Amino acid sequence: SYVLTQPPSVSVVPGQTASIACAGDSPGRKIFHWYQQKAGQAPRGVIYSDTDRPSGIPDRFSASTSGNTATLTITRVEAGDEADYFCQVWDASGDVVFGGGTKLAVL
Amino acid sequence: QSHLQESGPGLVKPSETLSLTCQVFGDSISTETHYWGWIRQSPGRGLEYIGNIHHSGGPFYSRSFASRVTLSVDRSKNQFSLKLNSVTAADTAVYYCVRRMVSARGVIVWFFDLWGRGTLVTVSS
Repeated sequence: SYVLTQPPSVSVVPGQTASIACAGDSPGRKIFHWYQQKAGQAPRGVIYSDTDRPSGIPDRFSASTSGNTATLTITRVEAGDEADYFCQVWDASGDVVFGGGTKLAVL
Repeated sequence: QSHLQESGPGLVKPSETLSLTCQVFGDSISTETHYWGWIRQSPGRGLEYIGNIHHSGGPFYSRSFASRVTLSVDRSKNQFSLKLNSVTAADTAVYYCVRRMVSARGVIVWFFDLWGRGTLVTVSS
């Protein structure tokens, strides 16, 4: 089955830019989605279809995709951005696959 | 504003059936633009997609659960349900009901744009 790999943690100072990578384990174009999960809450989508933001998500959140790899970028990081971030794709085998998640620490 | 609310037993015995229901608020389950599904989360397994279903039928199940899962829709109550058979301790998790966007800019997508708060289900005797 398809596997998405994310770094376990990323640290950033407030006001700086955080980048979180997500890599698939086999070649081929994928469409990536990203979710944010704050402590004790359900996940919520922050990016869909590689680059689009759902309504209500600030434009500080952006993402890019190249083949089977995607990167979530958060500019001007705030304390409230501290959360776990998950990438997700749909695999041609018919399954939805999530990355293991990256804990963003705002120092 | 739309939201989803899970309900069901928080404790299920091994080998029995886990049953959860999701009530949809602020949206119609009969919409053509969304599917309705379930995702679970546990410390050891992370986020796991279980399956999703359209009001008109045609559920899509994860291969990992296909042999023991059933999703259904009750349009009269604006709710949908999950049944997972033959549970073991490995099925202990927080279960989220979700809404899946069908397409964006004419392209089919598998993006879950609305999540319930989640309900913890523990499998134990």
